[in-house]
Amino acid sequence: GAGVSQSPSNKVTEKGKDVELRCDPISGHTALYWYRQRLGQGLEFLIYFQGNSAPDKSGLPSDRFSAERTGESVSTLTIQRTQQEDSAVYLCASSLVGDRFQEQPQHFGDGTRLSIL
Amino acid sequence: AQTVTQSQPEMSVQEAETVTLSCTYDTSESDYYLFWYKQPPSRQMILVIRQEAYKQQNATENRFSVNFQKAAKSFSLKISDSQLGDAAMYFCAYRSAVDDKIIFGKGTRLHILP
Repeated sequence: GAGVSQSPSNKVTEKGKDVELRCDPISGHTALYWYRQRLGQGLEFLIYFQGNSAPDKSGLPSDRFSAERTGESVSTLTIQRTQQEDSAVYLCASSLVGDRFQEQPQHFGDGTRLSIL
Repeated sequence: AQTVTQSQPEMSVQEAETVTLSCTYDTSESDYYLFWYKQPPSRQMILVIRQEAYKQQNATENRFSVNFQKAAKSFSLKISDSQLGDAAMYFCAYRSAVDDKIIFGKGTRLHILP
């Protein structure tokens, strides 16, 4: 079946512009994660959505970053007034929600490579 | 297309013992990077260890070491003297040196038994 789909695959924009990244999770996956990986660094957790619960925004690096998700469907990550330090690969993952007895695997998208000039 | 496979969805190990998590990958590229990440319940992704494909020497970070077999496309993680704090989800990841594409395995849930 279809996996996690992210768009665009590549985005180049000028410093100061706003960008919007999209993630289509696997149908039926109630959990959705956003991560980013900057060049030479490890993967950073950004935000987590689970069903209709309040999202876990603890990883968002600044108030220029925001994300939305309607129900269990598409999510968009928005970065306002982009800075060069925002250049990174942004990854989305989705999963079913497990319980304490069984972890559910995260399925990752191919990522969006964001370059800020 | 590159793929990363973690064949063990869950594993358990006794505290202070050694455990090995397996990871295999498929690629036609000769230059790439491999990673192991730890994800505790906080959902943060913690980089455990990193290996450059051009390096033959296996990477080591304290109690964590890898067995990198490039010809076999295998990249297993060994955790020595397991501690309760090692309990987490572990992800194996591949990063292309050509286009920076990142591919993750599905993860292995590691339980540490006291």
